[in-house]
Amino acid sequence: NAGVTQTPKFRVLKTGQSMTLLCAQDMNHEYMYWYRQDPGMGLRLIHYSVGEGTTAKGEVPDGYNVSRLKKQNFLLGLESAAPSQTSVYFCASSYSWGLSTEAFFGQGTRLTVV
Amino acid sequence: AQTVTQSQPEMSVQEAETVTLSCTYDTSENNYYLFWYKQPPSRQMILVIRQEAYKQQNATENRFSVNFQKAAKSFSLKISDSQLGDTAMYFCAFMKSRAAGNKLTFGGGTRVLVKP
Repeated sequence: NAGVTQTPKFRVLKTGQSMTLLCAQDMNHEYMYWYRQDPGMGLRLIHYSVGEGTTAKGEVPDGYNVSRLKKQNFLLGLESAAPSQTSVYFCASSYSWGLSTEAFFGQGTRLTVV
Repeated sequence: AQTVTQSQPEMSVQEAETVTLSCTYDTSENNYYLFWYKQPPSRQMILVIRQEAYKQQNATENRFSVNFQKAAKSFSLKISDSQLGDTAMYFCAFMKSRAAGNKLTFGGGTRVLVKP
């Protein structure tokens, strides 16, 4: 079982460059999320989606955009990367309310912006 | 907005001993879920245990158990008979009940080192 798959796993960007992180899940989950993890701050929610074609802002959305054109995919975009976006990014997915509250996480993407 | 605080940045424990990680949270909600996640060096986030706020009984999963004190807004994790494989970062997390999106709010984490 693949679960939640993130690509790429590592990336180095120059300031001002753009990139897209891809998240794919094969569990038919309605909800998907992007978090960033920084030392001492745990994981913070960037954006999330409660269904295909819908997205919403989380706690730290500035500098990021997302799209969910297909139920199984959730893309995170950085239009103009900044050193402050150096972080580890996690995608997660879960069922909607009433079925299960457990979130399943991908293995993370380590992004360095120089 | 909810906040989750883990006051112990690092803890070490001898193999086979017991360690307790603390977590406090701030919320005005009455119904919610609390979680402990484990992140080993592989970076994978693994759910260890969950607690529903409406349940008075503390959750237990094998060697992992929680002490949930709703009035004190405290949710500690006890790891019994510690094993080398328990070495990891541990995150406490909060989720509002019946809120759109099942969004998690995480604490800053506690690094646990199990020594042989």
